[in-house]
Amino acid sequence: GQNIDQPTEMTATEGAIVQINCTYQTSGFNGLFWYQQHAGEAPTFLSYNVLDGLEEKGRFSSFLSRSKGYSYLLLKELQMKDSASYLCAVLDSNYQLIWGAGTKLIIKP
Amino acid sequence: GAGVSQSPSNKVTEKGKDVELRCDPISGHTALYWYRQRLGQGLEFLIYFQGNSAPDKSGLPSDRFSAERTGESVSTLTIQRTQQEDSAVYLCASSKRGGGAVGELFFGEGSRLTVL
Repeated sequence: GQNIDQPTEMTATEGAIVQINCTYQTSGFNGLFWYQQHAGEAPTFLSYNVLDGLEEKGRFSSFLSRSKGYSYLLLKELQMKDSASYLCAVLDSNYQLIWGAGTKLIIKP
Repeated sequence: GAGVSQSPSNKVTEKGKDVELRCDPISGHTALYWYRQRLGQGLEFLIYFQGNSAPDKSGLPSDRFSAERTGESVSTLTIQRTQQEDSAVYLCASSKRGGGAVGELFFGEGSRLTVL
């Protein structure tokens, strides 16, 4: 079966750095996506990785290792507005998105 | 508008009634998805359209659920004989055709369904 694993909840301090991990087992791979979802709102696209390595976009970076079936989302200089759920999703060989359950990130002052 | 539009934004209905939820995707987006999200939980895939055809209906939870799409545009999700367990936010998303772009989804604000 297809499976995406990520921690259920994480807590971090304002101004700090946090890394949210995602491991996957899917039928094929055509890219990995991270989405952010604030409470009561729809998910919004953050990043897309299809090749190994680190993609940086401002305070957010996303890393991929296809051989390990592993990705992480790195958030730097945390702000209170970063409190949200972060969803990992993989595009499988049929170009279907397989979603993780999401990681709820709580930022404390 | 430029984004994905869903209506109604909120719907309260009585158990046993039928409801229809509408999604208007971004113009030119050929792929359209319906998801269900219960409070505090992850996204539950319902159905996927590529153009007007639905190659993947595997997520529809029962035969009370159906969806259609016409003109590669508007889609409607219909829930017949609603049950309290159907209470959730129903999210619609669209994306462009082709490769990894298919995975970059643009979501609507959702339709919050409450079945009393």
